[in-house]
Amino acid sequence: DAGITQSPRHKVTETGTPVTLRCHQTENHRYMYWYRQDPGHGLRLIHYSYGVKDTDKGEVSDGYSVSRSKTEDFLLTLESATSSQTSVYFCAISEGEQGQEKLFFGSGTQLSVL
Amino acid sequence: AQTVTQSQPEMSVQEAETVTLSCTYDTSESDYYLFWYKQPPSRQMILVIRQEAYKQQNATENRFSVNFQKAAKSFSLKISDSQLGDAAMYFCAYRAYSGAGSYQLTFGKGTKLSVIP
Repeated sequence: DAGITQSPRHKVTETGTPVTLRCHQTENHRYMYWYRQDPGHGLRLIHYSYGVKDTDKGEVSDGYSVSRSKTEDFLLTLESATSSQTSVYFCAISEGEQGQEKLFFGSGTQLSVL
Repeated sequence: AQTVTQSQPEMSVQEAETVTLSCTYDTSESDYYLFWYKQPPSRQMILVIRQEAYKQQNATENRFSVNFQKAAKSFSLKISDSQLGDAAMYFCAYRAYSGAGSYQLTFGKGTKLSVIP
């Protein structure tokens, strides 16, 4: 599992509340990613990080922010959750030498916004 | 922008038989990577196989192999001797070789594979 832990595994929240999802890795990987998975859409990249305090936007970044204050933790925050953000959220890391990288995913967080 | 299309939302196969899942993609790049990921009911995303576009030889991993047709932009997955544990959603994915897009996987919408005992 490349040492990736996501928390929480499940969360139910109300519209308008802030939510933070955590991704923790134990193997000092430089690159970390947040994806969301929705039926009929596959997985789509929200944000990614290429080092401590180095982050960039992905395909569907609106309504989300991220932070990476240390190598092992990559946090995804929904400042004011909306029902359209109900989804399964996956954290991923890149492993391997440049040109040989592979992505490994965490077990996902099921988020329901009521 | 790159797109990945999986035209078969659902497929089924008899146990021990062979099945092929289709994937096509669109890109203007000449160098890139292609992947197949498996997602069983446990929700875990599992890398099945990976292909570099500059390699002409098709990748294989045990019972899993691909048919990579670069000119046709086609990347199908063949599962031989299908087992009950192969039942899952399968996602085809594309990643650029370099540049800003090299950090992003673009996924197809998935094919749900059922294995019939």
